Amino acid sequence: QKEVEQNSGPLSVPEGAIASLNCTYSDRGSQSFFWYRQYSGKSPELIMFIYSNGDKEDGRFTAQLNKASQYVSLLIRDSQPSDSATYLCAVTAGGYNKLIFGAGTRLAVHP
Amino acid sequence: GAGVSQSPSNKVTEKGKDVELRCDPISGHTALYWYRQSLGQGLEFLIYFQGNSAPDKSGLPSDRFSAERTGGSVSTLTIQRTQQEDSAVYLCASTEGAGELFFGEGSRLTVL
Repeated sequence: QKEVEQNSGPLSVPEGAIASLNCTYSDRGSQSFFWYRQYSGKSPELIMFIYSNGDKEDGRFTAQLNKASQYVSLLIRDSQPSDSATYLCAVTAGGYNKLIFGAGTRLAVHP
Repeated sequence: GAGVSQSPSNKVTEKGKDVELRCDPISGHTALYWYRQSLGQGLEFLIYFQGNSAPDKSGLPSDRFSAERTGGSVSTLTIQRTQQEDSAVYLCASTEGAGELFFGEGSRLTVL
């Protein structure tokens, strides 16, 4: 079992729709959870982080965390073509700040 | 510099040669990470430094890989006797603590 699992996609949504990206993780001791966005040929950049169970909203983005289910998700409202990228879920593991990434979900927003 | 700096940006080498990849983190960032990303794949964790110490080296793929960090700043990733499967983009990132990772532009390694 991989430490952080994501559906590779591609996830295709129409412009203006909600995109839902999901991630599961194996280490019950994980404390911090991150979503990074990576455009083709570029380095990852942080979108959101979440530490506590529940929802965290930032503009069009909402991160959701359920530690009991070992599940974290990212919702993108009013999706735009510029949101088309690979979204990487990252989780701290190993009892310290080791950050493990999932393989990423490719999102395609079409006009 | 303002961001994480990596060099070289591109490296083409012959199988069996040794290569060194350098990372200069953001000033003051205590934690430094190395990841490897093969074409179309996610980020594979290699090693993490807190200061000059590496709490976890288990991500290094083989004993041909080694890394060091000196003065709590610059880090070097060394790959000895390179193999074709080592071809990838090697990404370095730094952070002040457990927060946002700031990534460099990566070093693209091609082993012929």
